[in-house]
Amino acid sequence: GAGVSQSPRYKVAKRGQDVALRCDPISGHVSLFWYQQALGQGPEFLTYFQNEAQLDKSGLPSDRFFAERPEGSVSTLKIQRTQQEDSAVYLCASIIWLRTEARKGQYFGPGTRLLVL
Amino acid sequence: AQRVTQPEKLLSVFKGAPVELKCNYSYSGSPELFWYVQYSRQRLQLLLRHISRESIKGFTADLNKGETSFHLKKPFAQEEDSAMYYCALSGSARQLTFGSGTQLTVLP
Repeated sequence: GAGVSQSPRYKVAKRGQDVALRCDPISGHVSLFWYQQALGQGPEFLTYFQNEAQLDKSGLPSDRFFAERPEGSVSTLKIQRTQQEDSAVYLCASIIWLRTEARKGQYFGPGTRLLVL
Repeated sequence: AQRVTQPEKLLSVFKGAPVELKCNYSYSGSPELFWYVQYSRQRLQLLLRHISRESIKGFTADLNKGETSFHLKKPFAQEEDSAMYYCALSGSARQLTFGSGTQLTVLP
């Protein structure tokens, strides 16, 4: 595809429900990042993959958050037992190869807007 | 720890006036600095990066290591520049650290 895609674009969940958010990075992009953007704030780092390896998950706010990228392309961010404070836009970004291309910046998807009632 | 501060949440200027969006950072090493822009109903996209010292859409930004700043400037603002602007830093940890953003409105 032409860019990073994410689905669903909008998700409404009842508190306590599990949700799964999908990210399709640009074909060939090795590195993939997840960010959480609360209302009125800048994006905040959640986790980072290089191919299928999750190299950094220091930004995940709790053990209810889990991310995977089993085949090194599509990634899924799962949130278990959602809480109201999980309401945010979840952004995915990809970059072709970190060391040589990082200076070109990350390519972002449109985001998934999650509302937990 | 790395941190990015954008002191202005909102900034309004008239068309044709100069505009400066402020960004200060905190990082102990040599950071890479970026400006990202988000136009209404569009995704976040890279505007410019300090390493290339380029001008994009008339915008420039100079990294001032002494003042730890990376302010974004444009001499003559246009209405189509109205958008949310984010300053971001990339250090050794690879991921981007963003400021809270500045909403720029260019008035006719």
